[in-house]
Amino acid sequence: QKEVEQNSGPLSVPEGAIASLNCTYSDRGSQSFFWYRQYSGKSPELIMFIYSNGDKEDGRFTAQLNKASQYVSLLIRDSQPSDSATYLCAVNPGNQFYFGTGTSLTVIP
Amino acid sequence: DAGVTQSPTHLIKTRGQHVTLRCSPISGHKSVSWYQQVLGQGPQFIFQYYEKEERGRGNFPDRFSARQFPNYSSELNVNALLLGDSALYLCASSLEWGADTQYFGPGTRLTVL
Repeated sequence: QKEVEQNSGPLSVPEGAIASLNCTYSDRGSQSFFWYRQYSGKSPELIMFIYSNGDKEDGRFTAQLNKASQYVSLLIRDSQPSDSATYLCAVNPGNQFYFGTGTSLTVIP
Repeated sequence: DAGVTQSPTHLIKTRGQHVTLRCSPISGHKSVSWYQQVLGQGPQFIFQYYEKEERGRGNFPDRFSARQFPNYSSELNVNALLLGDSALYLCASSLEWGADTQYFGPGTRLTVL
């Protein structure tokens, strides 16, 4: 079983819609959770991190964490074509980062 | 402030050769981690260094080694290169070690022929 699982997609949403990206993890001891955005040919860029159960909002982005279900998600409101990228979920149980394979998002103008 | 820097940007080597990749962390950050990312996959953890000591090692062969210098910069060395070592090598910087937030450099694209 992989440490972090993501639906590889591709996920397509129309411009202005809400994009929902999901991630599950296996280590119940995980302490910190991160979402990175990666454009083709570029390195990952940090979008958000979340440590506590519940929601955390930053602009158009909302991260949701449910430790009981071992589930973390990212919502992107008012999606823009510039949001088209691969979104990587990362989980850290305290000793190292584990990344999912990423979900490819395309926002259609 | 400058972000994480890595050099070189691109590198082409042949099988059996050795390669050294370099990374300078964000000013004030004491921890550097190295990752390998092959096409279509997420980054795979190779090493984490903090205060010049190895604090974590991923599931990579002994051909991979690294070190951190007193100024917190770091080198990743790979010996006896294989075709399968072709990947984007990412360096990530964090203030402390462990679960602290990591910020990535632009990466070094290594091609092994």
